[in-house]
Amino acid sequence: EVQLVESGGGLVQPGGSLRLSCAASGFTFSDHYMDWVRQAPRKGLEWVGRSKNKANSYTTEYAASVEGRFTISRDVSNNSLYLQMNSLKTDDTAVYYCARGRLAMDVWGQGTTVTVSS
Amino acid sequence: DIQLTQSPSFLSASVGDRVTITCRASQGFGSYLAWYQQIPGKAPKLLIYAASTLQGGVPPRFSGSGSGTEFTLTISSLQPEDFATYYCQQLNNYPLTFGGGTKVEIK
Repeated sequence: EVQLVESGGGLVQPGGSLRLSCAASGFTFSDHYMDWVRQAPRKGLEWVGRSKNKANSYTTEYAASVEGRFTISRDVSNNSLYLQMNSLKTDDTAVYYCARGRLAMDVWGQGTTVTVSS
Repeated sequence: DIQLTQSPSFLSASVGDRVTITCRASQGFGSYLAWYQQIPGKAPKLLIYAASTLQGGVPPRFSGSGSGTEFTLTISSLQPEDFATYYCQQLNNYPLTFGGGTKVEIK
């Protein structure tokens, strides 16, 4: 079964850091583009960033709102995607989803909640 | 950045109604447009990709069309499980962007 499972969310103070993980299973992880998408409380979906596939050297792209603060990486040996979040702001409070796909996001995790508050 | 504007942002409809949601882009792009359905508390679910291709397992009452700057999602006969929020997304240019969503509620 194709599955994505996020973990690592929690409560963090403004200016703090957090690392989210996304465990992938049921497909060849290195073949696929992987994205992070977030949803603030009672708001719409916002794309955070992308890790391209092995054929594209796992290069990354980011939304302007997180560029320079967030970093996406992969551990192919563990079939895991990561989102390192630094210098967190209250506006980063959201449910964070990882998703698979290039031309569309066809598989989504259940999400992990990040709350940035003092 | 490509801005996507969905209309309406909210609609009230009855079971059996035909529903059309529009997604307009601030500039033209290819056909890498997707539609998602989100039920409260759940992750989004892919319905349509490449503007008009139905994702496997999605009922055929859902259809997508359009190109350039205007795209539509149509539900031919609304079912009780279709009451949800729908989002369009363009995957043609970075940053990837979503529309603001259309909430479909029961009349």
